[in-house]
Amino acid sequence: AQKITQTQPGMFVQEKEAVTLDCTYDTSDQSYGLFWYKQPSSGEMIFLIYQGSYDEQNATEGRYSLNFQKARKSANLVISASQLGDSAMYFCAMREGYGGSQGNLIFGKGTKLSVKP
Amino acid sequence: GAVVSQHPSRVICKSGTSVKIECRSLDFQATTMFWYRQFPKQSLMLMATSNEGSKATYEQGVEKDKFLINHASLTLSTLTVTSAHPEDSSFYICSAETSGNTGELFFGEGSRLTVL
Repeated sequence: AQKITQTQPGMFVQEKEAVTLDCTYDTSDQSYGLFWYKQPSSGEMIFLIYQGSYDEQNATEGRYSLNFQKARKSANLVISASQLGDSAMYFCAMREGYGGSQGNLIFGKGTKLSVKP
Repeated sequence: GAVVSQHPSRVICKSGTSVKIECRSLDFQATTMFWYRQFPKQSLMLMATSNEGSKATYEQGVEKDKFLINHASLTLSTLTVTSAHPEDSSFYICSAETSGNTGELFFGEGSRLTVL
């Protein structure tokens, strides 16, 4: 069975500093996709970044980058130059299939990030 | 990105009544929609997967007679919480994928249900 582990229930970071949110996953599939979502207090799920299991380079989207360590089965999210608006819950998720295109998303328990001014 | 609209965003109802939540894909056809439930400070848990024109597939432990899911068109799926009780109070959120899926699922804004 697939599983996502986020070991940090809560994190604090000073504004303008970088922060790494940890995520490890467990799957026997060779083809899968890894996703990070941001959930502010309003509840909406905001897609941040995607990494395919066959992608050789780490994904980047603006201030977000994904540190993909396939052998260690980790997919940590790095947020550079934190902003107050980054305060939210962050969920790591996985989906089966090439490009993460099959089945449902399996979520980790989330990490609550608080950015301090 | 594609837009998924969920309605209502908040609903308060009395115990014993039924509540319908709609999930619409506004600018694409959603062959598959997923319904999740989220308790406070917890993760999203999949309730069911609905495919257009067929019966929904429910996850283990989810009562299909209590949580009725209908996916009658390629742009609309509904979740009806029947005979709601206070323990059904939760945040319900849908997501949808297109037929030409690249992996990303598009989420609705979520619906917060409070049963008194």
